[in-house]
Amino acid sequence: DIQMTQSPSSLSASIGDRVTITCRASQSISIYLNWFQQKPGKAPKLLIYAASTLQSGVPSRFSGSGSGTDFTLTITSLQPEDFATYYCQLSYSSPWTFGQGTKVEIK
Amino acid sequence: QITLKESGPTLVKPTQTLTLTCSFSGFSLGTGGVGVGWIRQPPGKAPEWLALIYWGDSKRYSPSLESRLTITKDTSNNQVVLTMTNMDPVDTATYYCAHFSSSFNWFDPWGQGILVTVSS
Repeated sequence: DIQMTQSPSSLSASIGDRVTITCRASQSISIYLNWFQQKPGKAPKLLIYAASTLQSGVPSRFSGSGSGTDFTLTITSLQPEDFATYYCQLSYSSPWTFGQGTKVEIK
Repeated sequence: QITLKESGPTLVKPTQTLTLTCSFSGFSLGTGGVGVGWIRQPPGKAPEWLALIYWGDSKRYSPSLESRLTITKDTSNNQVVLTMTNMDPVDTATYYCAHFSSSFNWFDPWGQGILVTVSS
């Protein structure tokens, strides 16, 4: 099975900061990588699919990049509603593995 | 608008079988490219994909849990059922069902989830 390694596990940032989260696959997965946001007590919400395509309704301050084994989720100008946990998810083939998550907290 | 909702017991005893139902609207499992998946999330941990059923009735299971899982669909009633046998306290988690699109293999949207506790 393909393993997903996400980093960091947590970070502290201020409103307006630029935040970068990385996800690495154990083998090449082309662009088959999705990103989710999860707030406490809520289901995960799809932000980005196919590594860089923004899901409908997601603010443009979110962006994704990468292909092969290394991927990045970037939030430019962090907003109060962005404090949450973010997960990458393998979409190349089953099992559809999730990363361990990155908790974005207020500094 | 696509919506999904999970239902089933919130407390099961060790060794029992868990049966969860996902009732959905806004799409049909008779439509090509569509599926419904089950994902669980233990408290404070990352989501873990469990099972997926496609429009054509093809099924996929997590290799680590495959022997314990069965997923079925009732297309006419817009429901998907997941059964998990031999429940253990480590299976305590919020269980979600989600709409699956095979265009880029994404799960979206998800149901609200149901917290299942395994305890005697």
